[in-house]
Amino acid sequence: DSGVTQTPKHLITATGQRVTLRCSPRSGDLSVYWYQQSLDQGLQFLIQYYNGEERAKGNILERFSAQQFPDLHSELNLSSLELGDSALYFCASSVSLAVQETQYFGPGTRLLVL
Amino acid sequence: AQKITQTQPGMFVQEKEAVTLDCTYDTSDPSYGLFWYKQPSSGEMIFLIYQGSYDQQNATEGRYSLNFQKARKSANLVISASQLGDSAMYFCAMREGSQGAQKLVFGQGTRLTINP
Repeated sequence: DSGVTQTPKHLITATGQRVTLRCSPRSGDLSVYWYQQSLDQGLQFLIQYYNGEERAKGNILERFSAQQFPDLHSELNLSSLELGDSALYFCASSVSLAVQETQYFGPGTRLLVL
Repeated sequence: AQKITQTQPGMFVQEKEAVTLDCTYDTSDPSYGLFWYKQPSSGEMIFLIYQGSYDQQNATEGRYSLNFQKARKSANLVISASQLGDSAMYFCAMREGSQGAQKLVFGQGTRLTINP
């Protein structure tokens, strides 16, 4: 158990819908990262927050947004869902921004868009 | 350009044998970190081992060790005395030290199967 929690574990929804994925980082970790794992794209970085502020953006679609709240939990919002958004979404956390800091991953949310 | 390359899509190894999973990387940043993660069939990503670009010695964590060859830009994972529970996908990842480059960049992974 990494200490990072994600809810829900599984999500099945229809095209055009909107979903929210939730992540609670490890106790004491200030930085939260979101990654998407799909069969065709592999593991890709989406976005990072540090102590409530957005710090880095990757290949995140405009239909996707995220935020980190004062209690440091984070939410990833996916809207106007398409079939291709079906993937495993991971949240990870680390204590700081240092290059040597390990990112610990949550169990992931498996999203299926029908 | 591919920053992390894992050239072995799949590997099959006999139980109790040692196995080496290959990883090469590409960066011009002098400060970087290399990570290996294990992803079993259940899907979670489990951190295994870390090697920093300035580390003088190869990292070791129990049965895991990293064969770090900086000049060749390779960071191969060595698993000694493999066990059935080692069957999983293994990902090599890099984090660069440049300001703002906070993400992990992953390779495509190697699927390791341990045969009894």
